[in-house]
Amino acid sequence: EPEVTQTPSHQVTQMGQEVILRCVPISNHLYFYWYRQILGQKVEFLVSFYNNEISEKSEIFDDQFSVERPDGSNFTLKIRSTKLEDSAMYFCASSGGVVTYNEQFFGPGTRLTVL
Amino acid sequence: LAKTTQPISMDSYEGQEVNITCSHNNIATNDYITWYQQFPSQGPRFIIQGYKTKVTNEVASLFIPADRKSSTLSLPRVSLSDTAVYYCLVAPPGNDMRFGAGTRLTVKP
Repeated sequence: EPEVTQTPSHQVTQMGQEVILRCVPISNHLYFYWYRQILGQKVEFLVSFYNNEISEKSEIFDDQFSVERPDGSNFTLKIRSTKLEDSAMYFCASSGGVVTYNEQFFGPGTRLTVL
Repeated sequence: LAKTTQPISMDSYEGQEVNITCSHNNIATNDYITWYQQFPSQGPRFIIQGYKTKVTNEVASLFIPADRKSSTLSLPRVSLSDTAVYYCLVAPPGNDMRFGAGTRLTVKP
C-alpha cells in the first residue's frame, strides 16, 4: 500500500538554525499539506500546496516558514531561524486529485527539537 | 469552517460498541463530515466520511441526522487497540482541514 514518508524521524537543532523537513507524498497525489502538533496539543494546519503554489496557509505559517516541491517527488518544509516554540511533531500529508473526499494520507512525522 | 464540539474523553470496555457524537450546528450545505483517528506519536488516519444519513465501512459507521447539525461515529466491538484520539472535522471536499481537540477514547480490558 502506498504511503507518505518523512525524513528525518527526529531532528535536533539549535535555536536560530535553519531546518528542512522532507516528505515524499504518495506518487499520484496532487495536494500536499504540512501540519504540526506540539506535545499534548491538537494537530494544527500550517499550509496546503497545489499546482506548485501555496493554496492556503494558517496564521502560524509566517515568513519563517517556506515550502517547496523541488522535484517530482519531494515536498519540503523549511524553517529559516528556529525558535524554541517550533519544537513539535511535523506531519506531512497528501491527497489525491479527485476532490470528493477529505481523505488525507499522513506521514509518520518528524519530531523537531529546538534547543 | 464549521465549528465542531465533541466530548474531551470517553471510556469503554473491550467488546462494547462506542458512539462518539460531534455537534456542528453551523455546518454549510457543501460541507462533508470526516472522522480521523490518531494513535500516540503517529499521524492522523482517515476513518470515514459522510454527507447525510448513514455510511458504513469495514472500520466504523457514521450516522448523520437529516438536519446534519450533528454526527455520530460508531465503533463496533472495540478492542484495546482502538484506544486513540478521534477527531470530527467538517469542511467542503478538498478544503483544508482544521483539527479540534478530539475525543480521547480509552478502551479498558
